[in-house]
Amino acid sequence: EAEVAQSPRYKITEKSQAVAFWCDPISGHATLYWYRQILGQGPELLVQFQDESVVDDSQLPKDRFSAERLKGVDSTLKIQPAELGDSAMYLCASSLVQGATGELFFGEGSRLTVL
Amino acid sequence: QQQVKQSPQSLIVQKGGISIINCAYENTAFDYFPWYQQFPGKGPALLIAIRPDVSEKKEGRFTISFNKSAKQFSLHIMDSQPGDSATYFCAASGTGANNLFFGTGTRLTVIP
Repeated sequence: EAEVAQSPRYKITEKSQAVAFWCDPISGHATLYWYRQILGQGPELLVQFQDESVVDDSQLPKDRFSAERLKGVDSTLKIQPAELGDSAMYLCASSLVQGATGELFFGEGSRLTVL
Repeated sequence: QQQVKQSPQSLIVQKGGISIINCAYENTAFDYFPWYQQFPGKGPALLIAIRPDVSEKKEGRFTISFNKSAKQFSLHIMDSQPGDSATYFCAASGTGANNLFFGTGTRLTVIP
């Protein structure tokens, strides 16, 4: 069964350090999302890609977060510098159709702890 | 501002009982209402979804009830099983929108 792959599963870092997360969506899924899930809350959209183009990054804290999907396949989310409040689960999802009214397939997430 | 309000925060049900989780929204442009199930250490997975042209959708033991006038929808899990123990998120979005707004989640525990 096709899955969304994410790495690393766990990352512990000190504040002010740089961190990066990688996501490989399901093959053929042109739409890719990065969500942040704070413990005890629902996922919140950070950025959405359609192929290699950013469709929505209105909720991405651009002073410290960046995301890219250079060849329209896998994607990287970077945080520099990390802050204590960035501790969360970072979820990648992909979908076959553009827009938020289709099924989203989520990876297992990357859990970030900032000390 | 929370686009989708979900309750209760946690729920304990006996095996065989009915689990009910409620959600409410304000944005009348929303026309897609999915429920996602998340097990510990896993990402959310789509469980069932409904559009406002119907008031109820059933898939096995899972049923969504939708009340358009009240702007509320709920998930009913019939004959709840210990394997249903997970966190459930309601969500909402509108046609053409990019963002799927999630509720805060309900942690369901089914006691054997």
